[in-house]
Amino acid sequence: QITLKESGPTLVKPTQTLTLTCTFSGFSLSTSGVGVGWIRQPPGKALEWLALIYWNDDKHYSASVRSRLTITKDISKNQVVLTMTNMDPVDTATYYCVHSPHSVGTWFGPWGQGTLVTVSS
Amino acid sequence: NFMLTQPHSVSESPGKTVTISCTRSSGTIASNYVQWYQQRPGSSPTTVIYEDNRRPSGVPDRFSGSIDSSSNSASLTISGLQTEDEADYYCQSDDSSHSIWVFGGGTKLTVL
Repeated sequence: QITLKESGPTLVKPTQTLTLTCTFSGFSLSTSGVGVGWIRQPPGKALEWLALIYWNDDKHYSASVRSRLTITKDISKNQVVLTMTNMDPVDTATYYCVHSPHSVGTWFGPWGQGTLVTVSS
Repeated sequence: NFMLTQPHSVSESPGKTVTISCTRSSGTIASNYVQWYQQRPGSSPTTVIYEDNRRPSGVPDRFSGSIDSSSNSASLTISGLQTEDEADYYCQSDDSSHSIWVFGGGTKLTVL
């Protein structure tokens, strides 16, 4: 059974850097074709894909926040870390960690429970 | 980049069939797989359709996906509606380079 869980601060101040950790089980990020990504959802709004890292360390970022994001993996710890710099109140959202299975296309599932991050002074 | 446009809301009665559309603004819908996610209130999204029309294990066959190249859109059809199907549904696809993933704005399904 694949599970993912997000952890990190629930409150950050504007201009600060957010660091979120995804700890997963039930799969290995060294398996060919597998990826782990981050998706966020502002309160009452739609989902927004942010970043994805593959087993081979191939990384992809959303164009809208690319300059602010870094995604890394630690296979020995079964963790993926997302850092987002220069946080702003508009970044207030629930941040989800997602598994991307080895498949013909790239899709997301299962999802973590999500963690709500509020940006406020 | 491209956008995926969904109706804001749809409603239908239990036992009936409903179809939710997802229109791609640029690029060909058939060139990149479309996924559909269900998000019940207060819960994380779950995948109901991947790669246009495939169902993950555990998803009932009441859920089906299709592509219509003539309208450059994808559709999610739910038959035999149940009250538990009431949720937000999001479509998702990627760009031609398979390196940018985009979600639609979501459709709120009400089963009344």
